[in-house]
Amino acid sequence: GNSVTQMEGPVTLSEEAFLTINCTYTATGYPSLFWYVQYPGEGLQLLLKATKADDKGSNKGFEATYRKETTSFHLEKGSVQVSDSAVYFCALSSFSSGSARQLTFGSGTQLTVLP
Amino acid sequence: KAGVTQTPRYLIKTRGQQVTLSCSPISGHRSVSWYQQTPGQGLQFLFEYFSETQRNKGNFPGRFSGRQFSNSRSEMNVSTLELGDSALYLCASSLPTGAGELFFGEGSRLTVL
Repeated sequence: GNSVTQMEGPVTLSEEAFLTINCTYTATGYPSLFWYVQYPGEGLQLLLKATKADDKGSNKGFEATYRKETTSFHLEKGSVQVSDSAVYFCALSSFSSGSARQLTFGSGTQLTVLP
Repeated sequence: KAGVTQTPRYLIKTRGQQVTLSCSPISGHRSVSWYQQTPGQGLQFLFEYFSETQRNKGNFPGRFSGRQFSNSRSEMNVSTLELGDSALYLCASSLPTGAGELFFGEGSRLTVL
């Protein structure tokens, strides 16, 4: 079945540091890949997505490239801010019969950015 | 454009009771999915509805059920609550086309005592 493996947290960085959160996946076919972010007490917000190999998703300074050869979708940001403190989830989208959609999530990585 | 709206945001129940959670999707979105989020199990898929039909179901006992109405609004019900049902229940909606991305509500936080 499908699975997503994320870098264990928590991750603590100083403001303006470089961020990498690793994500690898196992899936049949050609899934779409996503990063979601969850701030305390809130639901999940879509951060970025990529739908095919070598696609780069980007948003708010975050980037991730869909690497089919390494089955990876690592999240990066060149300079983090305190406001980036949140939990980050890597996910893949699979389609079953009748075009039913389901996201498979990684376990989440807690990021804390210190001023 | 209004986002996904879930009610209630917080609720407390006791073991053996039942609970109904409500979700209003983004206007124009006809697919609604439900996920359970717990510290131990993470995010787990419950079920997905499209045009009032359940298209997909996760690995949860029959105590967990849902339905979708003609206006795409959805409800999920948990009967005979157990302590382990304490969780954040997230509803998400999506368009029938696209990459499969979901748009989530803020969730309903259920505590079972």
